[in-house]
Amino acid sequence: EVQLVESGGGLVQPGGSLRLSCAASGFTFSSYWMSWVRQAPGKGLEWVANIKQDGSEKYYVDSVKGRFTISRDNAKNSLYLQMNSLRAEDTAVYYCARVVGSSWYAEYFQHWGQGTLVTVSS
Amino acid sequence: DIQMTQSPSSLSASVGDRVTITCRASQGISNYLAWFQQKPGKAPKSLIYAASSLQSGVPSKFSGSGSGTDFTLTISSLQPEDFATYYCQQYNSYPWTFGQGTKVEIK
Repeated sequence: EVQLVESGGGLVQPGGSLRLSCAASGFTFSSYWMSWVRQAPGKGLEWVANIKQDGSEKYYVDSVKGRFTISRDNAKNSLYLQMNSLRAEDTAVYYCARVVGSSWYAEYFQHWGQGTLVTVSS
Repeated sequence: DIQMTQSPSSLSASVGDRVTITCRASQGISNYLAWFQQKPGKAPKSLIYAASSLQSGVPSKFSGSGSGTDFTLTISSLQPEDFATYYCQQYNSYPWTFGQGTKVEIK
């Protein structure tokens, strides 16, 4: 059974940093693109970032470029999101998701974790 | 960026009704379109990819159609467990973008 379990969320002050983790199991992690998607309270879904199977390609939404870094450790079956210079508008539930794709491009979301809440507030 | 616009934003329907949700892309996206269901406090669930292909385990009462800029999600016979918010999403080009959601409520 595919499982994605996020952790690392919490309360952080504006300008602060946080590192989210996503532990994957039940599939060959190194064979899949992975993604982070967020949802602000009461709002819709927003794609944040994608990372290729070997970590060689990364894509970000403009609003987080230069502040967030997606990474992965295939030996540990783990996905990460390092979030720096956090703003109030980054407050959201952050989901990791498994993405179907090829060696050349990512395609569609397939499985989702349960999410972890990040609150940016003083 | 490609904008995804869903209509309606919300709808009220009865158990057994046939429900159709529309999603329009601001430019052509071929069939690189997915649909998701989300219930309150829960993670999204993937329903459809490539505009019309059902994800594994998704019941056949869900169907999708369309290509280019106009897409639809249809629920053939609404059941109590189908009351939720539905989102479309394009993966034709970065940044991937979602529609604003359609909330399906009980009439």
